[in-house]
Amino acid sequence: DTAVSQTPKYLVTQMGNDKSIKCEQNLGHDTMYWYKQDSKKFLKIMFSYNNKELIINETVPNRFSPKSPDKAHLNLHINSLELGDSAVYFCASSQVFGTDPPWDTIYFGEGSWLTVV
Amino acid sequence: GQQVMQIPQYQHVQEGEDFTTYCNSSTTLSNIQWYKQRPGGHPVFLIQLVKSGEVKKQKRLTFQFGEAKKNSSLHITATQTTDVGTYFCAGKADGQNFVFGPGTRLSVLP
Repeated sequence: DTAVSQTPKYLVTQMGNDKSIKCEQNLGHDTMYWYKQDSKKFLKIMFSYNNKELIINETVPNRFSPKSPDKAHLNLHINSLELGDSAVYFCASSQVFGTDPPWDTIYFGEGSWLTVV
Repeated sequence: GQQVMQIPQYQHVQEGEDFTTYCNSSTTLSNIQWYKQRPGGHPVFLIQLVKSGEVKKQKRLTFQFGEAKKNSSLHITATQTTDVGTYFCAGKADGQNFVFGPGTRLSVLP
C-alpha cells in the first residue's frame, strides 16, 4: 500500500492553463507538505499544513493555492501556468509529535512531473 | 533564515572507491536527517542523528553529526552502482521545520 500517493504522475500542459495535483496519505500523519524540485534538484518547501491548517507558506506566487479538505489530503491547484512552473512537485507527510524517533521522518510521494509548454 | 549547504554538488567515483558528502548549517540543529533520491525517484529517509558527535552506521554508510551540531557527513565505503543518486541532508533547528540542503549527486562508474 502506497503511503503517500499523488496524481497525476505526469502532466504536460500549455502556458496559461490551470491544473491540479492531488495528494493523499494513509499514514495517519498530522502534517502534509508540498515541495518543488527544480531541474537542479533543489528541494524547496512550498506549503505545510498541520491538521488542515496552513502552517508554512513560503514565497510562492499566489497562483499556487493548496487545499486541505481533511488531514489525509492536500491538493495543489495552479492557475495561469508559466514555463518556470515546470518541475517535479512532491507531496509529503510527517508526524508532529511522537515517542519513537525518528517520528518526524518526512515521507514523500512519488512526485508529479509537470511540464509547461 | 536557516541555511543548509552541502558539498560537493556532484561527485563521480569509480566503483569501489569511497565517497563523502558534507552538510553544514548556518544555525545549531536539534537533529539532522539524511535522504537518498534515486534517479527518477523520490527522496527516501535514510537516518536521523540527534546527539552531538553521534556516529551511526548502516552497512557501508557511516553518518556523523558534528560536536557543535552544525555539520554532518555521510561516508560510503566501497561504492557500488546501487549507490547512485542524490543524497540530501535536512537540518532542523528547535521549533522549526526541516530545511533541505541542495544535495550531492553521486554517480558511480562500473
